[in-house]
Amino acid sequence: AQKVTQAQTEISVVEKEDVTLDCVYETRDTTYYLFWYKQPPSGELVFLIRRNSFDEQNEISGRYSWNFQKSTSSFNFTITASQVVDSAVYFCALSGEGGGADGLTFGKGTHLIIQP
Amino acid sequence: DTEVTQTPKHLVMGMTNKKSLKCEQHMGHRAMYWYKQKAKKPPELMFVYSYEKLSINESVPSRFSPECPNSSLLNLHLHALQPEDSALYLCASSQDSSGPQETQYFGPGTRLLVL
Repeated sequence: AQKVTQAQTEISVVEKEDVTLDCVYETRDTTYYLFWYKQPPSGELVFLIRRNSFDEQNEISGRYSWNFQKSTSSFNFTITASQVVDSAVYFCALSGEGGGADGLTFGKGTHLIIQP
Repeated sequence: DTEVTQTPKHLVMGMTNKKSLKCEQHMGHRAMYWYKQKAKKPPELMFVYSYEKLSINESVPSRFSPECPNSSLLNLHLHALQPEDSALYLCASSQDSSGPQETQYFGPGTRLLVL
């Protein structure tokens, strides 16, 4: 069975602060992919990043960065110099060897509130 | 262009009504999905279509009936729903459904209220 844990239910920071969203996963599959999605109040899930189980390089995209550590089964997401537009629910998700046929295993989400 | 469209955006229906949700993608994807998302919860998979064939039905009640008329369209027919079916219904698509590498792209969802 697969599991994704996002222990932070809600985080509130003031604009321009850095914030890290934690994601811990469990799977017995050798090959798997991890994803982060953003869900603003409008409801659409916006794809942010995909990382495969064999690639532990960190990735940076503008103010966003991701730290994948297989040793601790974690795939954390950092927003640098946060902005009000970053306010949303962020989901970490895992896709195992069953692929789309098994659907994505989502964490419960972290509600990020950026205060002006 | 990673775009999945869904109509309607909002839907209110009574328990005796019949309605349909529609989803469309023009990315040439061959897998499409329906998810249900209750408030403050993650999305839950309902149905998976792969190459226009229903491949997964996650034991969803028969009052939900999916249909895939072609590779770009996905419908969800609703009949005799219950108030607890009120939720955000999300459609997604991916290039394929065979492996873990496929990124699912989501539509904006339909917010359904059953009275």
